[in-house]
Amino acid sequence: AQKVTQAQTEISVVEKEDVTLDCVYETRDTTYYLFWYKQPPSGELVFLIRRNSFDEQNEISGRYSWNFQKSTSSFNFTITASQVVDSAVYFCALSATDRGSTLGRLYFGRGTQLTVWP
Amino acid sequence: DVKVTQSSRYLVKRTGEKVFLECVQDMDHENMFWYRQDPGLGLRLIYFSYDVKMKEKGDIPEGYSVSREKKERFSLILESASTNQTSMYLCASSRMTVFGTGELFFGEGSRLTVL
Repeated sequence: AQKVTQAQTEISVVEKEDVTLDCVYETRDTTYYLFWYKQPPSGELVFLIRRNSFDEQNEISGRYSWNFQKSTSSFNFTITASQVVDSAVYFCALSATDRGSTLGRLYFGRGTQLTVWP
Repeated sequence: DVKVTQSSRYLVKRTGEKVFLECVQDMDHENMFWYRQDPGLGLRLIYFSYDVKMKEKGDIPEGYSVSREKKERFSLILESASTNQTSMYLCASSRMTVFGTGELFFGEGSRLTVL
């Protein structure tokens, strides 16, 4: 079975603080993708990053960084020097083909509401 | 600019009415999805389709049906709307890859209220 767990339901920080959003996944597939999405108050889901299961190299994009560790089945997301505009719900997701099927679908965690206070 | 377009941002319907939610994508994607989003429950998959005229049940298909007559269009149908179907409905599309589905591109959502 495929599963994504985001244990942090809500996080509040003050501007300029660093914040890490946790994501733990479960899959028996060896080939899969992991994703992060941002959903600002406007409601539209915005794709942030995709990582495949064979690439454990960490990635940095501006103030955003991602740490993928297969040993702990985690794909954590860190925002450095947070800003008010980072306030949003963040979703982690897993794409796998499901055993016995060539069909793919995305499994989402329940999301983490991040609030950044000025 | 790639785009997923949902026909209505806001709808208000009465219990028992038939409701159609339309979704069109212009990226020639194989996969299309319908999710509903409710507070505290995250995104739940209703149905998805990986090809024209093909459909697969997601996690909560009861009370819904779908139609995909053309590659670019995926419709969600509520045969007889009920108040517990009041929700935000999100359509998405993606390309199939060897790792499963690629990233999903989402529409702006359709907020349905059933009275």
